[in-house]
Amino acid sequence: QKEVEQNSGPLSVPEGAIASLNCTYSDRGSQSFFWYRQYSGKSPELIMSIYSNGDKEDGRFTAQLNKASQYVSLLIRDSQPSDSATYLCAVIFGNEKLTFGTGTRLTIIP
Amino acid sequence: GAVVSQHPSRVICKSGTSVKIECRSLDFQATTMFWYRQFPKQSLMLMATSNEGSKATYEQGVEKDKFLINHASLTLSTLTVTSAHPEDSSFYICSAGGTLSNQPQHFGDGTRLSIL
Repeated sequence: QKEVEQNSGPLSVPEGAIASLNCTYSDRGSQSFFWYRQYSGKSPELIMSIYSNGDKEDGRFTAQLNKASQYVSLLIRDSQPSDSATYLCAVIFGNEKLTFGTGTRLTIIP
Repeated sequence: GAVVSQHPSRVICKSGTSVKIECRSLDFQATTMFWYRQFPKQSLMLMATSNEGSKATYEQGVEKDKFLINHASLTLSTLTVTSAHPEDSSFYICSAGGTLSNQPQHFGDGTRLSIL
């Protein structure tokens, strides 16, 4: 069974610090990886997509992919209280369905 | 970016009522849309894949006669929860993406369904 695993948290980070979110997946053949942010009571919002090994930066967000180790991470620099949310890792496996992890709840402490 | 519109945002109705939820892709054509359900403090669970012009593909454990899906055009998919009961109360979210299989999905704002 194709799985995506995340630490459910909660993860508490001081304002201004770096928040590090991790995700592992079971299918070595996966090619497409995404990070979504979901505020309480709202639907998920796409933050980052990454397809190749290495780092991809977009503003304060950096996604890191290591296919050999089957993990993908999201770094949030200069964390802000508005970054407090649940972050969902999602992977497209070979059957083209988007599979979500259980999400990591992040709290930024002012 | 891609915009997916979902309506209504909230429904409160009596047990036994059927509820229809609409999902529209506003600035692109979507041959495939997806319907998810999310219970409190849980992740999204895929219910079914909506295919334009053909039958939907349901995930294991999802009753196709309970959750009717119609995808009659390239921009509209509907989910009808038939004879809803309190255990059907949940957050229902649709998504759609690009024509390539590795493109990200964009989500509608979700529909919070409460069955009394």
